[in-house]
Amino acid sequence: DAGVTQSPTHLIKTRGQHVTLRCSPISGHKSVSWYQQVLGQGPQFIFQYYEKEERGRGNFPDRFSARQFPNYSSELNVNALLLGDSALYLCASSSRGLAGSTGELFFGEGSRLTVL
Amino acid sequence: QQQVKQSPQSLIVQKGGISIINCAYENTAFDYFPWYQQFPGKGPALLIAIRPDVSEKKEGRFTISFNKSAKQFSLHIMDSQPGDSATYFCAASMDGSARQLTFGSGTQLTVLP
Repeated sequence: DAGVTQSPTHLIKTRGQHVTLRCSPISGHKSVSWYQQVLGQGPQFIFQYYEKEERGRGNFPDRFSARQFPNYSSELNVNALLLGDSALYLCASSSRGLAGSTGELFFGEGSRLTVL
Repeated sequence: QQQVKQSPQSLIVQKGGISIINCAYENTAFDYFPWYQQFPGKGPALLIAIRPDVSEKKEGRFTISFNKSAKQFSLHIMDSQPGDSATYFCAASMDGSARQLTFGSGTQLTVLP
């Protein structure tokens, strides 16, 4: 079975540009989360979606947005890119996505974004 | 208050030795504490997790020790192997789920053959 797949794997943008990152969850998983991992640091929570609704948002500016589609895949959009947005963006899926429900997070290999 | 502080930043252990990584948290609302293992070029993978109603959980060579009063938890890797060389992250979340994890800064473990 395929795991969490993300695209693109690597991309280079310049300051001020826009980027869209894509994620396909494990088949049957309805929850998708996005994390930003800056080099040498732990992942930082950005968004969680469950059943196409936003269920959580981390401490990120409004330049960051996301959505989940009817097939449970997801997109992360970042506008007006800054140098500090350079990071590995991780998508994770889970079969469960509501408070109080235990569900292991399965991470993809990430999209490496470099902003010049 | 949302931080999870992890130490050490790096750790070198001989094959067969015990690796110990520590984490501390401030937010008493945290009630789910997982450990993740990340190899270069890969996403983090769940290793083991614990809830605050138990003080220890063991799975194979991996053990989590949890001290609720001290707000600390640690990962012990027994009989460490070169294949265990990776970056380890502790994490914490609220409401009993892994929905919104707060990660530590990571520990780069190197196990020498």
